[in-house]
Amino acid sequence: DTEVTQTPKHLVMGMTNKKSLKCEQHMGHRAMYWYKQKAKKPPELMFVYSYEKLSINESVPSRFSPECPNSSLLNLHLHALQPEDSALYLCASSRGLGSSYNEQFFGPGTRLTVL
Amino acid sequence: AQKITQTQPGMFVQEKEAVTLDCTYDTSDPSYGLFWYKQPSSGEMIFLIYQGSYDQQNATEGRYSLNFQKARKSANLVISASQLGDSAMYFCAMREVQTGANNLFFGTGTRLTVIP
Repeated sequence: DTEVTQTPKHLVMGMTNKKSLKCEQHMGHRAMYWYKQKAKKPPELMFVYSYEKLSINESVPSRFSPECPNSSLLNLHLHALQPEDSALYLCASSRGLGSSYNEQFFGPGTRLTVL
Repeated sequence: AQKITQTQPGMFVQEKEAVTLDCTYDTSDPSYGLFWYKQPSSGEMIFLIYQGSYDQQNATEGRYSLNFQKARKSANLVISASQLGDSAMYFCAMREVQTGANNLFFGTGTRLTVIP
């Protein structure tokens, strides 16, 4: 199984809502990532988890809260988002950290719209 | 300074022809990896090909090959025998090893359109 799955595919939420994005992989990968991608822009790294511990937080606002319950799952909890947070949110995983070749497998993404 | 530069916002190619997508990079890390990803309109980032900084030979994967010129810091993607399904956004990306992080630095992408 070389697949990263993400749910939901699409999400529309109001600024006062609380929602969660989910990501799952069963490749035994120990590093997982959240990226944000605005239209016609490259992905921007948000968070990196390595062995279920937060390794990198790229100065992301606290209204985005990541969680890694186990080595296969990665969540992104959303609260009090702004319309400018509307984007494609991509999850990725890789075998680990620390070598030049750590191919990241990406999921299909969640298209988030904040009203 | 930009770590990855893709100077072609859009490219057109005739079906069955070859096309080269340009990528230059900037790093002082002697150990790094270069990646190309394809992103169709559906949004998923599909890994295409990898080149390590110490690899002696250019990487190839089926119809994809990477023209790696280390002295020029370029890593162009060559797609041979283009197909309609190749129409997508293509991103060049780099990972530096010695920084210890696992960030992928992405270029701004090139939108490829294959013309029937």
